[in-house]
Amino acid sequence: AQKITQTQPGMFVQEKEAVTLDCTYDTSDPSYGLFWYKQPSSGEMIFLIYQGSYDQQNATEGRYSLNFQKARKSANLVISASQLGDSAMYFCAMREEEYGNKLVFGAGTILRVKS
Amino acid sequence: ETGVTQSPTHLIKTRGQQVTLRCSSQSGHNTVSWYQQALGQGPQFIFQYYREEENGRGNFPPRFSGLQFPNYSSELNVNALELDDSALYLCASREGGAGKETQYFGPGTRLLVL
Repeated sequence: AQKITQTQPGMFVQEKEAVTLDCTYDTSDPSYGLFWYKQPSSGEMIFLIYQGSYDQQNATEGRYSLNFQKARKSANLVISASQLGDSAMYFCAMREEEYGNKLVFGAGTILRVKS
Repeated sequence: ETGVTQSPTHLIKTRGQQVTLRCSSQSGHNTVSWYQQALGQGPQFIFQYYREEENGRGNFPPRFSGLQFPNYSSELNVNALELDDSALYLCASREGGAGKETQYFGPGTRLLVL
């Protein structure tokens, strides 16, 4: 079974609008962390936001927020007020306590922001 | 800028050759992980090093090996290169300890095997 599923291969959003990128995960480990990374065409993986499995509140980092629904095993990324520079590939990833530092990534969603 | 650097940025090798990729961790980070990202896919975990010892490995053959040095910099070595080894190789570092979860990635090395 896929550990991380990103069902949207590609998304378009109008500049200044909000967009949600979907991520569902599968784990039996009670202690895990969820990450979102942005990868522009240059290739560097840029950390955006982190949510721990025991965190009570949804994580926020500037224009990024993570909609964490633990019972549904989903960790959607919400980008508010989209900018042209947000156009990139976005990856959801999970770290499980029993596997140390290993991150398991989804297939990614490519986001295009239109002016 | 994450403070994680990798060299070289690009590399072209032929099948059967050996390659060494290098990573310099962010200051204060004692854990480094390596990932392989094939074109159009998410990164795949190769292995991780903590205080100079390998302490986790993904589903990669033994011809993928590594080292971590006392200054926490790291190398990834790949022997007997195959065409399928063509990929972006990413290293990531993090601080040790609870609450220091985030891994910060370098810019990657693009390897092409002909």
